[in-house]
Amino acid sequence: DAGVIQSPRHEVTEMGQEVTLRCKPISGHNSLFWYRQTMMRGLELLIYFNNNVPIDDSGMPEDRFSAKMPNASFSTLKIQPSEPRDSAVYFCASSSQDHSNQPQHFGDGTRLSIL
Amino acid sequence: DQQVKQNSPSLSVQEGRISILNCDYTNSMFDYFLWYKKYPAEGPTFLISISSIKDKNEDGRFTVFLNKSAKHLSLHIVPSQPGDSAVYFCAASGTSGSRLTFGEGTQLTVNP
Repeated sequence: DAGVIQSPRHEVTEMGQEVTLRCKPISGHNSLFWYRQTMMRGLELLIYFNNNVPIDDSGMPEDRFSAKMPNASFSTLKIQPSEPRDSAVYFCASSSQDHSNQPQHFGDGTRLSIL
Repeated sequence: DQQVKQNSPSLSVQEGRISILNCDYTNSMFDYFLWYKKYPAEGPTFLISISSIKDKNEDGRFTVFLNKSAKHLSLHIVPSQPGDSAVYFCAASGTSGSRLTFGEGTQLTVNP
């Protein structure tokens, strides 16, 4: 079974550039989560969607960050303009909310480096 | 405000022995707890979970214990194997499927 698929796996770009991270959740899952992992703050939730609708975006650090989920099989996280402090590993996860207490399943992440 | 804490950044055990990883939480609204394992350059992999109505859940070599009064949970791995060497994250949520709050992680090293 295909898991959560993220692309690209690595991204290196110069500050000021737009960065777009992509995620394909597990088929049939109706909740999607974006996390960021840094040395200082660990794994923190940025935003999550339920049935393609953003439910909680309180973790999005600032207006430079935006996320969309145009359909059940695709989501993007965009940073514009990017800054060096955005360098981190970004994970996407999905889960099924049709049943209670279902775990989230993670992709392998995008390692982002802003120079 | 760190609502989920793993106070041991690292743990080293001998192969065949028991590994015990600990986690404390402060938010009494948490009712679902999970453990994830993470290898370098991979995403966290779900290991085992427990709901607040239980105090123990077992899956093969992995057992999670929950002490609600102490707001403490632990993961026992027995017997430990070298392939278990990874970072283990404790996570908690308030309602089924909602946002997860993660601990800082514990690096487990199992020595042959």
